[in-house]
Amino acid sequence: QVVLQESGPRLVRPSQTLSLTCTVSGGSFSGGDYYWTWIRQHPGRGLEWIGYVYDSGPTHYSPSLESRASMSLDTSNNEFSLTLKSVTAADTALYYCARESVVYGALGDWGQGTQVIVSS
Amino acid sequence: DIQMTQSPSTLSASVGDRVTITCRASQTIADFLAWYQQNPGKAPKLLIYRASTLETGVPSRFSGSGSGTTFTLTISSLQPDDFATYYCQQYDTYLSFGGGTKVEIK
Repeated sequence: QVVLQESGPRLVRPSQTLSLTCTVSGGSFSGGDYYWTWIRQHPGRGLEWIGYVYDSGPTHYSPSLESRASMSLDTSNNEFSLTLKSVTAADTALYYCARESVVYGALGDWGQGTQVIVSS
Repeated sequence: DIQMTQSPSTLSASVGDRVTITCRASQTIADFLAWYQQNPGKAPKLLIYRASTLETGVPSRFSGSGSGTTFTLTISSLQPDDFATYYCQQYDTYLSFGGGTKVEIK
């Protein structure tokens, strides 16, 4: 049974960079079977796809965030990461990592989420 | 971007009711659609993918249908654990989610 666990600072100052890591245990991390994905949920709101990194190579980001977002994969440590530059209060949200199956395209496994607050 | 629109945004129902939620895509997405259930304070849980394929372990009272631009999630007989928020999600072109449907107790 795969487990995904987000980690990172809870509080980030405006204009700074948000950095989160997702550690994956109990499942395959390489082999091209999954898109390693970040999603966020603003307080009381719906889900917003941020983007994904695939098998230590291609990344794709939401058009609304691609100028500020960056993702990478560290297969030696079974983790992937998200950085979001120049944050504002609008980036305050619950951030989830998840994996999307390349075969059937849905997000079958999620982390529990980590709350990030952007405030001075 | 492909926009996903769910209706209704809130649905009041009783245990045992048959419930249907609709999701519409702004352009055709074939059957590249998934449904999720989210309980308060929890991560979303995958229910259905490829519009109608039930994820392993999901009760058979859940079903999905549709293709192209219009899709439905049906709960045949609502159970106490089913009061939650439901999201559709397309994966034809990257990913995008519907706004959610909250199923509440009548």
